[in-house]
Amino acid sequence: QSALTQPASVSGSPGQSITISCTGTNSDVGGYNYVSWYQQHPGKAPKLMIFEVSNRPSGVSNRFSGSKSGNTASLTISGLQAGDEADYYCTSCTTSSTYVFGTGTKVTVL
Amino acid sequence: QVQLQESGPGLVKPSETLSLTCTVSGYSISSGYYWGWIRQPPGKGLEWIGSIYYTGSTYYNPSLKSRVSISVDTSKDQFSLNLSSVTAADTAVYYCVRDFRVTWGFEYWGQGTLVTVSS
Repeated sequence: QSALTQPASVSGSPGQSITISCTGTNSDVGGYNYVSWYQQHPGKAPKLMIFEVSNRPSGVSNRFSGSKSGNTASLTISGLQAGDEADYYCTSCTTSSTYVFGTGTKVTVL
Repeated sequence: QVQLQESGPGLVKPSETLSLTCTVSGYSISSGYYWGWIRQPPGKGLEWIGSIYYTGSTYYNPSLKSRVSISVDTSKDQFSLNLSSVTAADTAVYYCVRDFRVTWGFEYWGQGTLVTVSS
């Protein structure tokens, strides 16, 4: 199984919206509505931000939203804040009941 | 509140076996859920290693399957990772997680432990 493809970096100014893409195949992203997104600050464990493509766990800001079209899932952060600067990873289940992670995206707040 | 804590040697010699244990508190492993391991080499991305159900049913990353074994001890609320024949490429921060296979996500993570493979 190959890693899902994410852009290496995305940047935006405070208050703006940014979108991170996550491209897979019919065997993972495109085949199931089980895409999750994780935020990771330096030296910290990842934090679940989105599950099942577009659902937010309790306590996660509604500035974070997810969607999917075909083999590509997306995470949108609206009203960008300094604290959103972090690495973001997508993951999906696969036809083999395993997981595959995305390559990761570094978000920079200008 | 569910908490996970990794423990084990921070240094392993090449060709030897890496062994880590995750202790779960605030939840009984035998109550359900899968429990898994994820790693992150320094400066690189996340890689799912594998997961185990409290009954012992396992799923492994195909790229690591020949070297990985995950086991569970429900009496201690612990699960363990063994990775054999390690090389420098296995140097990473290793996280234990709760793997929720209804929504297919990892809601709870340990703090992570760095394991370095070096002679």
